[in-house]
Amino acid sequence: DAKTTQPTSMDCAEGRAANLPCNHSTISGNEYVYWYRQIHSQGPQYIIHGLKNNETNEMASLIITEDRKSSTLILPHATLRDTAVYYCIVRGTLNTNAGKSTFGDGTTLTVKP
Amino acid sequence: SQTIHQWPATLVQPVGSPLSLECTVEGTSNPNLYWYRQAAGRGLQLLFYSVGIGQISSEVPQNLSASRPQDRQFILSSKKLLLSDSGFYLCAWSLPGGETQYFGPGTRLLVL
Repeated sequence: DAKTTQPTSMDCAEGRAANLPCNHSTISGNEYVYWYRQIHSQGPQYIIHGLKNNETNEMASLIITEDRKSSTLILPHATLRDTAVYYCIVRGTLNTNAGKSTFGDGTTLTVKP
Repeated sequence: SQTIHQWPATLVQPVGSPLSLECTVEGTSNPNLYWYRQAAGRGLQLLFYSVGIGQISSEVPQNLSASRPQDRQFILSSKKLLLSDSGFYLCAWSLPGGETQYFGPGTRLLVL
């Protein structure tokens, strides 16, 4: 799996957009970008994923650069409950690397009132 | 809908004792199953994955083992625990051929 680089921590004001960056410069053509978040002492929660195009769901938006070497997760209106560790990972298909993914240390997002 | 269960939620075991952690998935058939370990304040390390009954692949050499006796059951075991086995153990599942993994609530293991 390609390695990812994320800032260690970020703060965001409640109600504002949270923009979490991720660098994945060695991503290969068949690898997806995935975002998960983990609230303290719980299992990681899937947020969103994408391959080339920008994606949006009820939780967040994912913006992937044209060269696919970086991406940004956007939480449009952060709430206190969005405080968590956010993991950006890249993952191929099960046939290419058994769906193995390296979870780095992630970004600790703190949403402040 | 699919659900994933892990038990126990927490466990305190002495060094040298055996271990058995269980993970079960409901609402899907022939899932891919995964075991991860997370050290305090760190990311997740993939330990084992399985694409079917009796099929186990190990990612990291260690004194742990995994088994899949039934389609939706995944067990993590050890014959003799080490202090370094302490951590947060997470089970995950994905659809066959799917890349999105869904995680269970985890088991927190403390080896003393």
